[in-house]
Parts: sequence; C-alpha cells; structure tokens
Amino acid sequence: DTEVTQTPKHLVMGMTNKKSLKCEQHMGHRAMYWYKQKAKKPPELMFVYSYEKLSINESVPSRFSPECPNSSLLNLHLHALQPEDSALYLCASRRTGGAGGYTFGSGTRLTVV
Amino acid sequence: DAKTTQPNSMESNEEEPVHLPCNHSTISGTDYIHWYRQLPSQGPEYVIHGLTSNVNNRMASLAIAEDRKSSTLILHRATLRDAAVYYCILRANYPNSNSGYALNFGKGTSLLVTP
Repeated sequence: DTEVTQTPKHLVMGMTNKKSLKCEQHMGHRAMYWYKQKAKKPPELMFVYSYEKLSINESVPSRFSPECPNSSLLNLHLHALQPEDSALYLCASRRTGGAGGYTFGSGTRLTVV
Repeated sequence: DAKTTQPNSMESNEEEPVHLPCNHSTISGTDYIHWYRQLPSQGPEYVIHGLTSNVNNRMASLAIAEDRKSSTLILHRATLRDAAVYYCILRANYPNSNSGYALNFGKGTSLLVTP
C-alpha cells in the first residue's frame, strides 16, 4: 500500500457544526502532515506529527484541532469554522530518518456555510 | 527559510523536452531540493529530489548547478498528462521540533502542454 487515504472527499458544514477529517496510511511513515490549500494558491503547512506527537503547529487557530491516535491515522477536528476556512485540506506522510519524498492524499474539499 | 523563485507559467509542445527553472540563491548546505507537481483537483505528487548531484528517475531529471543556487527540472518528453503546477521546494528545517523537516510550498510554475 503506497497511498495516503483521506475521508471524506467532500464536506459541507455549518459554522456551528463539529466535524472531523480523517487521514490514513499504511506505509509505516512516522511523520504526518496537515496542509490547507485555498483556490489557486500553494498548500500551506498547518501541523506536523512525528512519532504520534505534535511537532509543529504553524500558529493555526484553535478551531482546528489535530489528533494522531496511532502511527497510521491522523485526524483534524473542526469546530466553529468560518466561511474563509473553506479550502482543500491535504494530508501527507513521509518516512522519517531520510530526505525522501512525501506522499500526499487527494484531499478533503471543505465548504463552510 | 531559504526561498525559491520560479516563473509563474511556461508552455511546451507535446513530445518535446521541458526545462523548468528554479532559483534558490539563499540555499544552505544541508537543504535538499524537492520537486512536486499538482494536477487539477489532486494532491501534490512527488517528482524528484536531490542535494548536490544531478538525479534521474522514471519521471524526470534534476540538474543542480554547481553552486546549488539554481536547479532545473527536466521532463524529457512532455505529454498532455504533464500539465500541472510544478513546485520547487527547499525542505525547511525546524530545529526546535522533533520531526525536523517540512515542505513549505512557493507559488510554483503552471505548465501548459499543447498538442
């Protein structure tokens, strides 16, 4: 298995809703990432987990709450989002201990109404 | 972080080679040069990476200048499926974190391939 799987592919949520995005990989990668990508812009780093511990938080608002329950799974919990949070949310993983490539999922297209 | 500079867009004819340039004049000695591409409605896809020497794989070649201040991604025969945004990225070092590294994307080059 050489993929990063993200679910759901599309999500529409209201500003008072709570929802979660899920990311899964079975490549044994111990570093996992969340990125946010607005239309026609490059991906922006949000969070990095290394060995299931939060390693980097790029000053992301607290309405985004990441969680890494095990080495294969990464969640992004969403609460009280704003319409400007509508974006493509990308998950990535990489093998630690080397300079090799990162594997990205296809993303979750989030619309906040 | 060291930054990269790429042309906003480039155009190529199908079945011809494409040379995508990237400038990274503030690169440090330990920065790896990564290239990714993103097709419409998909996540970024790894293309190639290197440190000092030129690199080849089944997708592309990476030519790195001797002073490492620039690099060029070479697609040997462009196809319509190669139309994408190509990102040249210097892997960012986060010394105070236990993961060490992350990719910080620049604006990239939008490659148009015409039949």
